[in-house]
Amino acid sequence: DAGVIQSPRHEVTEMGQEVTLRCKPISGHNSLFWYRQTMMRGLELLIYFNNNVPIDDSGMPEDRFSAKMPNASFSTLKIQPSEPRDSAVYFCASSWAGGAAFFGQGTRLTVV
Amino acid sequence: KQEVTQIPAALSVPEGENLVLNCSFTDSAIYNLQWFRQDPGKGLTSLLLIQSSQREQTSGRLNASLDKSSGRSTLYIAASQPGDSATYLCAVNIAGNQFYFGTGTSLTVIP
Repeated sequence: DAGVIQSPRHEVTEMGQEVTLRCKPISGHNSLFWYRQTMMRGLELLIYFNNNVPIDDSGMPEDRFSAKMPNASFSTLKIQPSEPRDSAVYFCASSWAGGAAFFGQGTRLTVV
Repeated sequence: KQEVTQIPAALSVPEGENLVLNCSFTDSAIYNLQWFRQDPGKGLTSLLLIQSSQREQTSGRLNASLDKSSGRSTLYIAASQPGDSATYLCAVNIAGNQFYFGTGTSLTVIP
């Protein structure tokens, strides 16, 4: 397996634009997590899915953030409209039934 | 809410030294605990996973221990090498599907 795959690796966008981050979890994993990492706050859990169903989205900072998982092999995190304070590295991770979590390489988002 | 703390925040050691990284957590009702390594600009690489019923796990020069009752885990690195330089994070798994991360220990191994 190629591991957790995220795209794009880098994204630079202007304030107010819509941004969509994509994630393909490891095949067979039933839990998917979206994290945000900044120097100030470290790793923050935004939302996680279990069997494609959102379980806890309490970490999503605002209504500008939304996440979907239409099937077991794909998830998106959308920010609309984007703001400079959203600049961070966004990670997707997946796991199976409480086992080890595996992370993607992340998407570095810069909002100017 | 589970709080995870890692001390020290940064550590610098000469090559060849054995070292211990610490992770503490406030709620002992954990499912498992995982240690990760993160290189600058990269994602997190899983190092070791310890289930709640286990006391330790070993992989090569790495040994991780878990003491649930005291809310502590340690990562022991033997014979450190410059290539071990990275940030090490521990994550506590609650209920099998929520991971709470510490803020990490930045390790520098000096040649």
